[in-house]
Amino acid sequence: QKEVEQDPGPLSVPEGAIVSLNCTYSNSAFQYFMWYRQYSRKGPELLMYTYSSGNKEDGRFTAQVDKSSKYISLFIRDSQPSDSATYLCAMSFNNAGNMLTFGGGTRLMVKP
Amino acid sequence: DSGVTQTPKHLITATGQRVTLRCSPRSGDLSVYWYQQSLDQGLQFLIQYYNGEERAKGNILERFSAQQFPDLHSELNLSSLELGDSALYFCASSEKGRVGELFFGEGSRLTVL
Repeated sequence: QKEVEQDPGPLSVPEGAIVSLNCTYSNSAFQYFMWYRQYSRKGPELLMYTYSSGNKEDGRFTAQVDKSSKYISLFIRDSQPSDSATYLCAMSFNNAGNMLTFGGGTRLMVKP
Repeated sequence: DSGVTQTPKHLITATGQRVTLRCSPRSGDLSVYWYQQSLDQGLQFLIQYYNGEERAKGNILERFSAQQFPDLHSELNLSSLELGDSALYFCASSEKGRVGELFFGEGSRLTVL
């Protein structure tokens, strides 16, 4: 079993829908939680960053971390075709710096 | 554009061969990270260099090695290549002390035939 699990999708939604992307993890020592977006044939780019538990909002994106359940989520409001990409969750331990552990990614398709 | 430059973008080679992938980090970033992305293993951390020194090692095979030069560019050397080494190899850089915020290049796609 992988340390970080993510449904690979693809997840297909109509434009304007609210999208929920999730990851579960097994190691309770993870403290830093990130969401990266990866367009086809491109490198991942950081979308959201959260330290420990709680919520964080940035425009149409909201990241939630529930450490008690070892579960993190990314919500996308008013989804746009330009949001079509693979979304990767990533995690890190204290003192592990940027040795990130990634989920396998969820492919999202937003249809006009 | 992340500011991280990787070359070559594509590389096709045969089993048993050796290749070198090159990365230039963002201006001012001292840390360089190498990650491997494959269909079965996903994106995995290989190795980190900081200002020329190896800082951390992940799931990097003994056949693979890396270095960071005084001008801060880095090279990842892959030798005795096997079919299973076919993957996307990403380089990333970060600002000092910034955990979680990696700037990735566009990757080098390696195909081993």
